[in-house]
Parts: sequence; structure tokens; C-alpha cells
Amino acid sequence: GDSVTQMEGPVTLSEEAFLTINCTYTATGYPSLFWYVQYPGEGLQLLLKATKADDKGSNKGFEATYRKETTSFHLEKGSVQVSDSAVYFCALTHQGGSEKLVFGKGTKLTVNP
Amino acid sequence: EAGVTQFPSHSVIEKGQTVTLRCDPISGHDNLYWYRRVMGKEIKFLLHFVKESKQDESGMPNNRFLAERTGGTYSTLKVQPAELEDSGVYFCASSQETGGPEKLFFGSGTQLSVL
Repeated sequence: GDSVTQMEGPVTLSEEAFLTINCTYTATGYPSLFWYVQYPGEGLQLLLKATKADDKGSNKGFEATYRKETTSFHLEKGSVQVSDSAVYFCALTHQGGSEKLVFGKGTKLTVNP
Repeated sequence: EAGVTQFPSHSVIEKGQTVTLRCDPISGHDNLYWYRRVMGKEIKFLLHFVKESKQDESGMPNNRFLAERTGGTYSTLKVQPAELEDSGVYFCASSQETGGPEKLFFGSGTQLSVL
């Protein structure tokens, strides 16, 4: 079945450091790929998405590129802030408007001032 | 406009007891989903309601879990009897019409601890 694998956390960085959170997937066909973020005490929020190969999703300074050849969707940010401290989840769903998501385990990011 | 609301935010029960989790979706949202994150593992789909009907319950782990959505408004998820492995965070999400995850709104979850 479909699955998503994320790098194990937790990740601790200093403010303004470069962030990469690796995500790879296994799926049949051509899934859509997503990154969700959960800030402390809040629900999951969609951070960015990509629906086809070579698409780049971006939001709030975060970026991820859909790489079909490596089945990856790594999350990057050039300069993290303390406010980016959260848990990040990589996820996929199959196209056609499906809202049934397959998630990775999540990566907890802590950014220190 | 209120978001997706889940009650309680935390629940601590003993093995063998019964617990009922509640989700109030955004008003007017026909689709309602339950997901669960067991500690250290992925968030997994449990089931999907369209109004009061169960559209897909393929993720329900076993018959100790019962989900209802009477009247197509709020939903409850009952665990009876609870086991240690049921501990985790239970998320609810809703959408007005099926249109992909971009249309989904998540609640902040219920942290369930079974001792």
C-alpha cells in the first residue's frame, strides 16, 4: 500500500539556520504531495502542496519539489525562525479530489533563538 | 466562523473503560473525517462520513471503535473497552465538499491516554 517515510526527529536548529526535512513516498500512480504543520495546541494546517512531477510548492518561506525520479518531496527553508517550531508532516493523496491522506510519522522541529 | 472543535482536549482513562470523543465540524460541512496518531507512528485514516452516512470506514482498527454522526452534524467516536494501544491523538477534519486536502480543516485533536 501507499506509504510516506520522513526523517526521524526531533530536529533542533538555531535561528536563521537552513532546514531540510526529508520525505520519500511509495505509491501507485501519480499522487499529490503535501506538507502539513502542527503548531503547539493547534490543528494540522496545510503548509504547501504539489500535484505533479517537478512542481514546486511554497509558502511562508518553505519550499518542496515533487521529484518523481527519486519519489521524494523534501521540505526546505533557508532561514528558520523561532516561530517555525512545530511538528511537520509529509503526506500524499491520490488525485481526483480525494481527502483521504496518507501521512508520515512527523518531524518535530525546535528553533532556538 | 468557528473552526473544527474537538472535546475533550485530553482524556486519561484506565484499560477496560469506555471513552467517547466528540468532533464538531465547521457548520455546513458535509464531510467529516477521523484520523489517529499513535505515539511515534504515522497519522492514520480511520473513517469518513458524508453527512450521516459512513462513506469509508476501512481504517477502523477493530470493533471496539464505534463512530456515529447522527443528524449529519457532530460526530462521536467511542472506544469500548479501551486498550493500552488505543493511546494517541485523535484528529477530526471536515470539508464542505470533497475537493482535495486543500479544502480540509483539522481540529486540534484529543489526546487519549489509556493506563
